[in-house]
Amino acid sequence: QKEVEQNSGPLSVPEGAIASLNCTYSDRGSQSFFWYRQYSGKSPELIMFIYSNGDKEDGRFTAQLNKASQYVSLLIRDSQPSDSATYLCAVKVAGWAGGTSYGKLTFGQGTILTVHP
Amino acid sequence: KAGVTQTPRYLIKTRGQQVTLSCSPISGHRSVSWYQQTPGQGLQFLFEYFSETQRNKGNFPGRFSGRQFSNSRSEMNVSTLELGDSALYLCASSVDRVEKLFFGSGTQLSVL
Repeated sequence: QKEVEQNSGPLSVPEGAIASLNCTYSDRGSQSFFWYRQYSGKSPELIMFIYSNGDKEDGRFTAQLNKASQYVSLLIRDSQPSDSATYLCAVKVAGWAGGTSYGKLTFGQGTILTVHP
Repeated sequence: KAGVTQTPRYLIKTRGQQVTLSCSPISGHRSVSWYQQTPGQGLQFLFEYFSETQRNKGNFPGRFSGRQFSNSRSEMNVSTLELGDSALYLCASSVDRVEKLFFGSGTQLSVL
């Protein structure tokens, strides 16, 4: 089982619709959750982060977290053609080893979203 | 504020050679993480440095190494290149904890 899995794409939605992107993770010790957007030929950019169960809204984006189900999602309302990109879910696991704190982000494979006019 | 800067942008090498990639983090950021991105494997974590110390390491062979300097700039080195090392290598920085990462434009490495 992969540590972070995203719903297989590609996902195609019409302009103005809601795009729903899903992600599940395997490590119950995961602490923080991030959504990155990556345009073709560009590097990932952070668009949302969520730490606690529930919803977090930022403009047209809503991140939802359910730690009991080990599930995190991203909703994009009023989708625009400019939202067409690959969306990467990332999960942070942290801890202590040898007296030093560590952490790393593990990324899912990404979901390609296409918003068509 | 300048973003994360990676050099060079493109590299072409042959099998058996070695390569060094450079990363300058955002000013004030002390944590630098390196990732390898390929179409088949996605983003794979290589290692993370903080205050010149490697804090975490991914599951890559010892041919992949890195270091961080006192000014937080980081380098990664790949020795004895293999065809499978062809990938986009991304550097990301954060203030201290590995949290909200800011990525550089990456170095596209092609091994022939």
